[in-house]
Amino acid sequence: DTEVTQTPKHLVMGMTNKKSLKCEQHMGHRAMYWYKQKAKKPPELMFVYSYEKLSINESVPSRFSPECPNSSLLNLHLHALQPEDSALYLCASTVREGRYNEQFFGPGTRLTVL
Amino acid sequence: SQQGEEDPQALSIQEGENATMNCSYKTSINNLQWYRQNSGRGLVHLILIRSNEREKHSGRLRVTLDTSKKSSSLLITASRAADTASYFCATDQDTGKLIFGQGTTLQVKP
Repeated sequence: DTEVTQTPKHLVMGMTNKKSLKCEQHMGHRAMYWYKQKAKKPPELMFVYSYEKLSINESVPSRFSPECPNSSLLNLHLHALQPEDSALYLCASTVREGRYNEQFFGPGTRLTVL
Repeated sequence: SQQGEEDPQALSIQEGENATMNCSYKTSINNLQWYRQNSGRGLVHLILIRSNEREKHSGRLRVTLDTSKKSSSLLITASRAADTASYFCATDQDTGKLIFGQGTTLQVKP
């Protein structure tokens, strides 16, 4: 299994809702990433988990809460989002955090905040 | 912060032609990677070139790296309609984090 899966593919939520994005990989990778991508822009790093521990938080607002329950699974909990948070959220994984590692990306979750 | 600048922002060519896109960056790097993204989808890794390498090939792809000029280029030879996508360079400075360039949108007309 050489892919990263993400669910749901699309999500529409109101500003008072609580929802979660899920990412899964079974390649034995020990580093997992969340990116946010706005239309016609490059991906922007949000969080990095290394060996199930949060290693990088790129000053992301607390309305985004990541969680890594095990080495295969990465969640992003969403609460009280703003319309400007609408974007494509990408998950990625790599063998381990560090140099010379290509990242494997999931297909993304298209989030719309009303 | 996004340190990569890509040139051109958009490129339109005919099938069979070669496509060249360039990437410049500002700080020293460990490696530079190129990714492809089809519309609204995830990114696919194409090739990684280390800072001590000058050129690398993979199928129809040729990547060059000039660390003195802090620039890289991606050449796609004999392009196909299926190559239509956005292409991003990404630099790894020494943190394991990838910093993506602004991207080049390539359209290959059949």
